Amino acid sequence: DTGVSQNPRHKITKRGQNVTFRCDPISEHNRLYWYRQTLGQGPEFLTYFQNEAQLEKSRLLSDRFSAERPKGSFSTLEIQRTEQGDSAMYLCASSLGFNRDEKLFFGSGTQLSVL
Amino acid sequence: GQQVMQIPQYQHVQEGEDFTTYCNSSTTLSNIQWYKQRPGGHPVFLIQLVKSGEVKKQKRLTFQFGEAKKNSSLHITATQTTDVGTYFCAGGTGNQFYFGTGTSLTVIP
Repeated sequence: DTGVSQNPRHKITKRGQNVTFRCDPISEHNRLYWYRQTLGQGPEFLTYFQNEAQLEKSRLLSDRFSAERPKGSFSTLEIQRTEQGDSAMYLCASSLGFNRDEKLFFGSGTQLSVL
Repeated sequence: GQQVMQIPQYQHVQEGEDFTTYCNSSTTLSNIQWYKQRPGGHPVFLIQLVKSGEVKKQKRLTFQFGEAKKNSSLHITATQTTDVGTYFCAGGTGNQFYFGTGTSLTVIP
């Protein structure tokens, strides 16, 4: 069990640029979640996948955000035309899924700074 | 929309004192989980509660799930410096988990 891996650990970008983050979940986990966390706040749900299907997306998520999970393995989160308000820690988590083991295993996150 | 609130936001205790954090959901939950996040770290799973009125213990930690499945609490007996961190509840709705605002615990030696 190598855990959930996220890359890059840190990303600094200029406003208006596009950024992409990658998450590699624990291999046998069906569910993959993306959360966003700012300092002093709890993780805020963004979206989740059951295998390759994106089942839910937060209504707070603008259309500048898109996520994919091709083949139900790794996932990418892309932010287009970044804004300063996008600066946050982006956390990925995986689990076996509901009715099995719902425990979320988090990666170390990608810290995004938009200048 | 779904909201999960926690109180207090911050708690400072002397080592050896007890600590409790409370979690309240605006809607009935399927289950509730608790996580601990150390400074600079990521959330780490502690426990999951599923049944109405359920109580679970892990050494000095006691977790409760309310009868209405809308609230929960975490109680730590005789805190130690290793308990430092932020404790989050996460309410399960059947599809995903909504995290609470967290309680940051500082333990003064």
